Amino acid sequence: GAVVSQHPSRVICKSGTSVKIECRSLDFQATTMFWYRQFPKQSLMLMATSNEGSKATYEQGVEKDKFLINHASLTLSTLTVTSAHPEDSSFYICSAPSGTGDSPLHFGNGTRLTVT
Amino acid sequence: DAKTTQPTSMDCAEGRAANLPCNHSTISGNEYVYWYRQIHSQGPQYIIHGLKNNETNEMASLIITEDRKSSTLILPHATLRDTAVYYCIVRVARNTGGFKTIFGAGTRLFVKA
Repeated sequence: GAVVSQHPSRVICKSGTSVKIECRSLDFQATTMFWYRQFPKQSLMLMATSNEGSKATYEQGVEKDKFLINHASLTLSTLTVTSAHPEDSSFYICSAPSGTGDSPLHFGNGTRLTVT
Repeated sequence: DAKTTQPTSMDCAEGRAANLPCNHSTISGNEYVYWYRQIHSQGPQYIIHGLKNNETNEMASLIITEDRKSSTLILPHATLRDTAVYYCIVRVARNTGGFKTIFGAGTRLFVKA
């Protein structure tokens, strides 16, 4: 159980375009989802917390107008990278807790974004 | 910032137990210790978590010291597929309630044939 599906797994886009990444909890509901970014040879960096029915909470230094997050339902959160630039090329990973309290996070398999 | 410290890397022989240490000296009484691992180019995978009692599941065992300031993840019979970066995490409380999971650098475990 507790499967998180992320789509697409890879995307290549041109500079200036926008890219949408979807994160779905397949067998559980998630009022909260977390979006991370990972550059090569580095650890995961938390970008924002997606909250169902309310605004996302962004970490310091993450531009909310550039990384649009929508948590439309209890099983779906989307991250849109707007006006992408080559420096946005990275591995984006979403996660969701399978319950409340001390429930662990379950992660998607990530989306590798390449901006040319 | 991550609330744990781990060695940068470790080696283990295939078939032997891998013991991965973690220090979390500032842990509070009601905070859990979580372990995840990340195999190259994949999303992290949850392994195990615990509060103060030792825990075991089909993947690993978690040994937490009595003072809770450190813990050890044990993979009893490491295989080549266990080569990954292992992250020991204590969640960070938010000012507005709830928690967030912050990743440190983790330990890169190499399992060698």
